[in-house]
Amino acid sequence: ELKVEQNPLFLSMQEGKNYTIYCNYSTTSDRLYWYRQDPGKSLESLFVLLSNGAVKQEGRLMASLDTKARLSTLHITAAVHDLSATYFCAVRGSGGADGLTFGKGTHLIIQP
Amino acid sequence: KAGVTQTPRYLIKTRGQQVTLSCSPISGHRSVSWYQQTPGQGLQFLFEYFSETQRNKGNFPGRFSGRQFSNSRSEMNVSTLELGDSALYLCASSQGDGGHGYTFGSGTRLTVV
Repeated sequence: ELKVEQNPLFLSMQEGKNYTIYCNYSTTSDRLYWYRQDPGKSLESLFVLLSNGAVKQEGRLMASLDTKARLSTLHITAAVHDLSATYFCAVRGSGGADGLTFGKGTHLIIQP
Repeated sequence: KAGVTQTPRYLIKTRGQQVTLSCSPISGHRSVSWYQQTPGQGLQFLFEYFSETQRNKGNFPGRFSGRQFSNSRSEMNVSTLELGDSALYLCASSQGDGGHGYTFGSGTRLTVV
């Protein structure tokens, strides 16, 4: 059974600081996704990571994937208040079975 | 380009009733998958449909069912509602194998009283 673990689950940080959210998964996977969710809203797609060593960047967010370590990271550079949200990683099992398995989410608060 | 449309947005039902939720995917997308989000269990996969066929199914009881029509629109049905079925139900649309990602709808918030 595929398990996805995110840490930390809660993060309070100041504007201008850098931080990293970690996503570990338990079995082989060929796809990893990062999503953002604002309170009361749906999931917004941030990144799709398809291969070992993949790195993608959008604004202050950068995501990477190490399939050998079964680890993805979401790095936040010079955080701003607008990035406050809950961030989820999701993994699709190898072969596409069982849909996406989500981590519990990282609740990120960025204070001025 | 229209996004993923879910209806209704909010729903209040009584225990024992049944409910049907609807999802219209992005035009050209043939895969629709459904997820349940609750504070306690987080986001959990219900099922996925592709070209009118159920391709994958999560670990939910048989009270949860779905279907997909020839125009790729999908419905999910929950029979004999329980209080624990109160949740945000999200559907996700993709072109096929998720290689370009999954786009989620705004969700249907179901409250069972």
